[in-house]
Amino acid sequence: DAEITQSPRHKITETGRQVTLACHQTWNHNNMFWYRQDLGHGLRLIHYSYGVQDTNKGEVSDGYSVSRSNTEDLPLTLESAASSQTSVYFCASSVATGVTGELFFGEGSRLTVL
Amino acid sequence: AQSVTQLDSHVSVSEGTPVLLRCNYSSSYSPSLFWYVQHPNKGLQLLLKYTSAATLVKGINGFEAEFKKSETSFHLTKPSAHMSDAAEYFCVALNYGGSQGNLIFGKGTKLSVKP
Repeated sequence: DAEITQSPRHKITETGRQVTLACHQTWNHNNMFWYRQDLGHGLRLIHYSYGVQDTNKGEVSDGYSVSRSNTEDLPLTLESAASSQTSVYFCASSVATGVTGELFFGEGSRLTVL
Repeated sequence: AQSVTQLDSHVSVSEGTPVLLRCNYSSSYSPSLFWYVQHPNKGLQLLLKYTSAATLVKGINGFEAEFKKSETSFHLTKPSAHMSDAAEYFCVALNYGGSQGNLIFGKGTKLSVKP
């Protein structure tokens, strides 16, 4: 079955370190997204991509970067982790045809920055 | 500005009783609206969607929602709650012509189901 997987599922790191969260989907979807989920804020969009070599900033992109070198993967990098980036991160993907809003989500990566 | 407001952060019901999760939206255009469910330690899953066809939308697991333009509402209901319905529910909006990068998530309603 097609799926979307995130790794690691849990990570603890220190302030100032670089962290990369991986996202891999086998749906062959062109669209991929990264969200963070925090209590009281719901889900907020960090970065998204509509295809290979395409990346766009979302609502809360400061301190984060992504790259899209193939269809399957959209890694999220925190260049210099800050305590404010402690959160649960979700990757999602969707088909390109039609703007339906239907996203397929991974199970999340819980990041703690000490 | 476009927004989605979930009127209750937490709803508690008894098993077998009806569920009502409320969502209001504001939009300059005819929106597409969605409900997603998130079970503990899981990603979000689409429950149902409204895209300007029938105003009463049926979803998975017995849930349905009614789009009411006059009230700018898209409330989620289920006639009889099951223990497995305990989860967090998100109302989501997409403006007509908007890209998926412009999905607007409500802050979520946590549903508890008591035996």
